[in-house]
Amino acid sequence: EAQVTQNPRYLITVTGKKLTVTCSQNMNHEYMSWYRQDPGLGLRQIYYSMNVEVTDKGDVPEGYKVSRKEKRNFPLILESPSPNQTSLYFCASSPREGDGYTFGSGTRLTVV
Amino acid sequence: GESVGLHLPTLSVQEGDNSIINCAYSNSASDYFIWYKQESGKGPQFIIDIRSNMDKRQGQRVTVLLNKTVKHLSLQIAATQPGDSAVYFCAENIPPNSGYALNFGKGTSLLVTP
Repeated sequence: EAQVTQNPRYLITVTGKKLTVTCSQNMNHEYMSWYRQDPGLGLRQIYYSMNVEVTDKGDVPEGYKVSRKEKRNFPLILESPSPNQTSLYFCASSPREGDGYTFGSGTRLTVV
Repeated sequence: GESVGLHLPTLSVQEGDNSIINCAYSNSASDYFIWYKQESGKGPQFIIDIRSNMDKRQGQRVTVLLNKTVKHLSLQIAATQPGDSAVYFCAENIPPNSGYALNFGKGTSLLVTP
């Protein structure tokens, strides 16, 4: 089944403890992206990648890192999580420019 | 940057009626628009898209209309069903981006009542 898989689905962590949210797609898509979703603010892009080793900042990149060493994987790294990063995170992929994204099921992160 | 907005945060319709969800955008350079549906506990799901060189596109039970003159986008759902209950987002692509940095609206919640 063609899909975008994120792990974990739920995560509770403490301030300052590094964490990684994994994202993998099996559709050979070139474009991948991370969004966070917050009440009243909608979906905001954190980082995106147009291909392997090509990443760029979205609208809210502060406090996040990404890497794209392989086409299928696009992990989101929080080096020192803070409570304001408590949110619902979505990974998404797209086959080519100008096409819509396919989203994963989301990761609900709580930082205490 | 400029953002996509929505006219109504919530919309309640009766099963079997047609639904219309509206979206206003403010950047006249936007060249690509997408509607997404998000059910509770799930990620956004692609419904239909339209490019700026078109003014109407139809899918299965859904139609998207684009009025570039007034910078307005709408999603029409025919014969609305309980399974259509969800939050609907419109998203736009603003050049020089090429669809990988979509700008999302806040969402409209559609509630279908029996």
